[in-house]
Amino acid sequence: GENVEQHPSTLSVQEGDSAVIKCTYSDSASNYFPWYKQELGKGPQLIIDIRSNVGEKKDQRIAVTLNKTAKHFSLHITETQPEDSAVYFCAASLGVDQFYFGTGTSLTVIP
Amino acid sequence: DSGVTQTPKHLITATGQRVTLRCSPRSGDLSVYWYQQSLDQGLQFLIQYYNGEERAKGNILERFSAQQFPDLHSELNLSSLELGDSALYFCASSVALASYNEQFFGPGTRLTVL
Repeated sequence: GENVEQHPSTLSVQEGDSAVIKCTYSDSASNYFPWYKQELGKGPQLIIDIRSNVGEKKDQRIAVTLNKTAKHFSLHITETQPEDSAVYFCAASLGVDQFYFGTGTSLTVIP
Repeated sequence: DSGVTQTPKHLITATGQRVTLRCSPRSGDLSVYWYQQSLDQGLQFLIQYYNGEERAKGNILERFSAQQFPDLHSELNLSSLELGDSALYFCASSVALASYNEQFFGPGTRLTVL
């Protein structure tokens, strides 16, 4: 099955700086890559996703890039704010299959 | 609030016991997913139901079972509990079968096995 690796496991940035989280996947047939944000005491929530026919997608301060050849995708958060502090999970899917989640990145934005 | 409800919020039980976790999906959602989240393993997919039928199975132990009822709520049954089963259990729902559809997660049930 698919194997998703996520780095780093923890990340601290100063408020206003950028944060980048990277994931790699193993199955070249995977074609859907969502990112979820999990705040303390809550369930994960979708923040952005990308399909394999697109190389980059942006939504305000959040962007995701996908490199199908290298089988990796990244989450970029610009102008970080304290409310961005949370655990972020990447995932990969074949589109009609289960999500394979990464192990999570705990992001702390220092005011 | 995602619209997905899970009960109970917390559950404390002993080894060898059996528990049932309940999930009500968002109104109109036909797919229900169950996940286990432990500290060292992240989010692990357990099982998916779509409109009452099992559609996908992940790393679900034989001691665990689930079902989705005609009103679309779902239950996850965990039996012969072991210490290692202590974890957060999430239910998620989506409108259709394909995973392109956003999954909405409930607040989770924290299971502690003593």
